[in-house]
Amino acid sequence: QVQLVESGGGLVKPGGSLRLSCAASGFTFSDHKMSWIRQAPGKGLEWVSYITNSGSTYADSVKGRFTISRDNAKNSLYLQMDSLRAEDTAVYYCARVRMEWLLPNYYSYMDVWGKGTTVTVSS
Amino acid sequence: EIVLTQSPGTLSLSPGERATLSCRASQSVRSSYLAWYQQKPGQAPRLLIYGASSRASGIPDRFSGSGSGTEFTLTISRLEPEDFAVYYCQRYGSSPSWAFGQGTKVEIK
Repeated sequence: QVQLVESGGGLVKPGGSLRLSCAASGFTFSDHKMSWIRQAPGKGLEWVSYITNSGSTYADSVKGRFTISRDNAKNSLYLQMDSLRAEDTAVYYCARVRMEWLLPNYYSYMDVWGKGTTVTVSS
Repeated sequence: EIVLTQSPGTLSLSPGERATLSCRASQSVRSSYLAWYQQKPGQAPRLLIYGASSRASGIPDRFSGSGSGTEFTLTISRLEPEDFAVYYCQRYGSSPSWAFGQGTKVEIK
């Protein structure tokens, strides 16, 4: 079945780095756009980053510190997180992004989510 | 930047009752860019509604979405025990980028 599984979370000191992974299965990964979304403890959802096969975008809160990438041969999505801050503490989810024409309209939504991996930034 | 504001923050209802959740945008949002998600404690969000009113695959028909412009609504016609959760609206924007409302918690009264 269609599945996303995140890994790589953990405890890291402020200023440190961490690399998250998201393994996709059950669908043709290379055909799909992907995103990372995070949720700080007790808070709401915050979009972090997005990637296609040709480009990427970032939320202002992580721009210049986080780098999203993908390896279609390995059906995997990554998030390299550098210069981590306490406010980056959150559960990080990867999600499949649908952006498609269903004439006459263009739609965008996230239809498959992983269970998340927890990142804690603390000294 | 278009901000989404959800109300109420918490909705206290009994099973079988109707729930009406609001999502208000600071500027007009194309309906096809508006989605709703459900999140239960300790779980990932689940897509309920996309395009403001289209139910995602496997979503019961007691869930419905409506609205346009700056006002959108998620309605649960008759609450089942498994519907008590937090609900988020989401909009797609330029760059591309996405933003979520702050969420509405539907709790058992």
